[in-house]
Amino acid sequence: DSGVTQTPKHLITATGQRVTLRCSPRSGDLSVYWYQQSLDQGLQFLIQYYNGEERAKGNILERFSAQQFPDLHSELNLSSLELGDSALYFCASSVGDGRFGNTIYFGEGSWLTVV
Amino acid sequence: AQKVTQAQTEISVVEKEDVTLDCVYETRDTTYYLFWYKQPPSGELVFLIRRNSFDEQNEISGRYSWNFQKSTSSFNFTITASQVVDSAVYFCALSEAPPSYGKLTFGQGTILTVHP
Repeated sequence: DSGVTQTPKHLITATGQRVTLRCSPRSGDLSVYWYQQSLDQGLQFLIQYYNGEERAKGNILERFSAQQFPDLHSELNLSSLELGDSALYFCASSVGDGRFGNTIYFGEGSWLTVV
Repeated sequence: AQKVTQAQTEISVVEKEDVTLDCVYETRDTTYYLFWYKQPPSGELVFLIRRNSFDEQNEISGRYSWNFQKSTSSFNFTITASQVVDSAVYFCALSEAPPSYGKLTFGQGTILTVHP
């Protein structure tokens, strides 16, 4: 158990809908990361927040957004869902912002299926 | 741009065999971090090791060992006396350059199957 908690674990929704994935980082960790894992793209970095502020951005679609709240939990919002958004979405956390190669611990992921 | 290549897509071994998973990376940075993660069939990503670019000392943890060679930009992972529970997908990853320190570039993964 990495200590990173993600909900829901599984989600099935229809195209065009909007979903919110939630993440609680490990106790004491200030950075939260979101990654997407799909068969065709592999593991892709989406976005990083550090202590409430956006720190780095990857190839995150405009239909996707995220935020980190004062209690450090984070939410990833996916809207206007398409079939291609079906993937395993990971949240991860680390103590620092990564500049010293902090170990990044991953949650169990949220399986999203768009039908 | 950062790149991580895991040449072996799939490896199949019989229990108790030793197996080495290869990882080659590309980066222009002098300071960087390398990681290995394990993804068992249940799906979670499990952290195995982190290594910084200045520490080329090999590391051993139980049946696991890692060989970091900066001269060949490789960070290979060996499992000694493999067990069925080692069956998983293994990912090598490289940290990004500043300011995106926390972004990891992953290889495509190596599927390891250990048969009893």
